[in-house]
Amino acid sequence: SQQGEEDPQALSIQEGENATMNCSYKTSINNLQWYRQNSGRGLVHLILIRSNEREKHSGRLRVTLDTSKKSSSLLITASRAADTASYFCATETNTGNQFYFGTGTSLTVIP
Amino acid sequence: EPEVTQTPSHQVTQMGQEVILRCVPISNHLYFYWYRQILGQKVEFLVSFYNNEISEKSEIFDDQFSVERPDGSNFTLKIRSTKLEDSAMYFCASSEWGERSPLHFGNGTRLTVT
Repeated sequence: SQQGEEDPQALSIQEGENATMNCSYKTSINNLQWYRQNSGRGLVHLILIRSNEREKHSGRLRVTLDTSKKSSSLLITASRAADTASYFCATETNTGNQFYFGTGTSLTVIP
Repeated sequence: EPEVTQTPSHQVTQMGQEVILRCVPISNHLYFYWYRQILGQKVEFLVSFYNNEISEKSEIFDDQFSVERPDGSNFTLKIRSTKLEDSAMYFCASSEWGERSPLHFGNGTRLTVT
């Protein structure tokens, strides 16, 4: 399967701490994207990193990509209670117009 | 900000019945997708659609499923004869130019097959 796999499956931290989630995938990709999903809602795009990029920042988000290890990480700094959600990585393959999602990391930020 | 809208938000149907899930993608987007998510599980790709035809589909998207863009704004997913295992959240998404552009998701339709 080309799908990304996130770990950990669940993460619970105190407000103000940093949260790190990891994603591993199996095949060559065009890009990797991270999405957030609040309970019962659709997924919201957070950040896209291209296969030739190694690191990208957006506000409190920092994403890294290591294509040699086929892995990515999402770091949320100075977490807030409102960051509580599930986070998914999605890989876009270089063979077709489709995106594969992982099972997600459920993040709980305790106020 | 423009958004993808899906209707209904919740659909209950009996096994064997046909259902149509509706989506209105963002107006200037060219690529459309359906995904599903069984409760607590991964988000699974069903189908992508471009230029009025299916561009990719997964193994899940068998003959029971079909998609259509009946007019310039709607994008529908039809399940011909629903099974219990079709119960899931169905998400529609669109993207501006497909490759390397983010997906914009609707809030989903919760399908319950009894």
